[in-house]
Amino acid sequence: DTGVSQNPRHKITKRGQNVTFRCDPISEHNRLYWYRQTLGQGPEFLTYFQNEAQLEKSRLLSDRFSAERPKGSFSTLEIQRTEQGDSAMYLCASSVRGRQFFGPGTRLTVL
Amino acid sequence: EDQVTQSPEALRLQEGESSSLNCSYTVSGLRGLFWYRQDPGKGPEFLFTLYSAGEEKEKERLKATLTKKESFLHITAPKPEDSATYLCAVQAGDGNNRLAFGKGNQVVVIP
Repeated sequence: DTGVSQNPRHKITKRGQNVTFRCDPISEHNRLYWYRQTLGQGPEFLTYFQNEAQLEKSRLLSDRFSAERPKGSFSTLEIQRTEQGDSAMYLCASSVRGRQFFGPGTRLTVL
Repeated sequence: EDQVTQSPEALRLQEGESSSLNCSYTVSGLRGLFWYRQDPGKGPEFLFTLYSAGEEKEKERLKATLTKKESFLHITAPKPEDSATYLCAVQAGDGNNRLAFGKGNQVVVIP
C-alpha cells in the first residue's frame, strides 16, 4: 500500500497531557498538509510543508501545537497540554501536481 | 476569506433515484475545486479536480460540473455503496496551498 499512513489511528489522553502524531506521506510527494476535522464539519487547514520547510500556518494552530518535517520525509504533529476542545480527527495529506491525498486520520479523544 | 457552502446537508435517496449536490463558493481567484468522498471514520478519498468554468469530469455514476459560482455533483442511478459524505473544497489562486472545505453533503442510498 503506497498511500498516506498515519499513526496512531486512535489516541485517548487525559487533559493536560502531551500527544504526538506521525504522518508518512506518499513517497516523492514533496508537499504535506495537516488538517483537523470535528464531527459534522469539513476538514480545517492547520499547516503545510514543502519538503522540510513549514510554509503556512493557520491561526487555528495555537502555541500548544507544533509540527515538524525533518529531512522532508515523515511529519509529526505535537499538541502540548491537551484540552477537551482538541478532541477531533487529525488528518494528514500529501500532494503532487495540486491533488491532495489524505491518510486515514488519527482520532484524538481528550478526557 | 474563502467560503464553501454545500447543500443539502443530508439527502436520502432510493436506489436508482438520481440527484445532484450543490457546492457554492467564494474565493479570491479559483485555482481548483475539489470533490472528495468520505466514509465514516476514514479520511477523504479524492474524486475530482475542476479548474475552469464549463469543465466536467465523470467517474462511474458520478459527474462533477463547474460554473463561476458553484459546482454540482450529479449522482446517476445511485447504489447503496454510494452512501457517504461528499466534501467540496476550493484552492485559491493567491499562492496559498490550503484547501477550504464545506461541511459536506451526507448521502444515504436506500435499497
